[in-house]
Amino acid sequence: SQTIHQWPATLVQPVGSPLSLECTVEGTSNPNLYWYRQAAGRGLQLLFYSVGIGQISSEVPQNLSASRPQDRQFILSSKKLLLSDSGFYLCAWHPSGVAGGGRTGELFFGEGSRLTVL
Amino acid sequence: LAKTTQPISMDSYEGQEVNITCSHNNIATNDYITWYQQFPSQGPRFIIQGYKTKVTNEVASLFIPADRKSSTLSLPRVSLSDTAVYYCLVGRPSNYQLIWGAGTKLIIKP
Repeated sequence: SQTIHQWPATLVQPVGSPLSLECTVEGTSNPNLYWYRQAAGRGLQLLFYSVGIGQISSEVPQNLSASRPQDRQFILSSKKLLLSDSGFYLCAWHPSGVAGGGRTGELFFGEGSRLTVL
Repeated sequence: LAKTTQPISMDSYEGQEVNITCSHNNIATNDYITWYQQFPSQGPRFIIQGYKTKVTNEVASLFIPADRKSSTLSLPRVSLSDTAVYYCLVGRPSNYQLIWGAGTKLIIKP
């Protein structure tokens, strides 16, 4: 079966410090990968998505970046955090193509990483 | 891009049926309608998905009228553990343009 893991689960960082959140998926190959951010009491905002190694698309201009160094690994980074970067970050995956299985619109989410920038 | 509109919050009582309606007037021909449930500090979890008419699974039903401009998630006989935020999602991940509604905060009272 497929699983998705994110870490760290909780992070408290000072303004101006770097960030690295990691997400890995097991049990599938060539998944579509997503990074979302959720502010307190708000809906999900898509930050990045990736359809393959080294292929990253950004949805929102910001001081964050994403990388996909391996097929099932997705990393969210920042060189200098801002107060506004605080939030709940969620990684998600979806099977690529019909052969990937799963229901057409179903995204599988990780446990989330809560970032507080002070 | 389809935009969704949901009630911000709803209250109900244990054992009742709860219906949450989502409006999506600009839904595209290839768009599916998907509902997710989210508990605090957890990632959303898939509940149900449909394209048209009615879909039922072990936890919910989804009603979609012929014009597909709205959809209604129906939760039968809710319990306290159904207290969560419910999101209506229109689109297809393969289009990379998923539109998430603001979500409906459902509170179930004893």
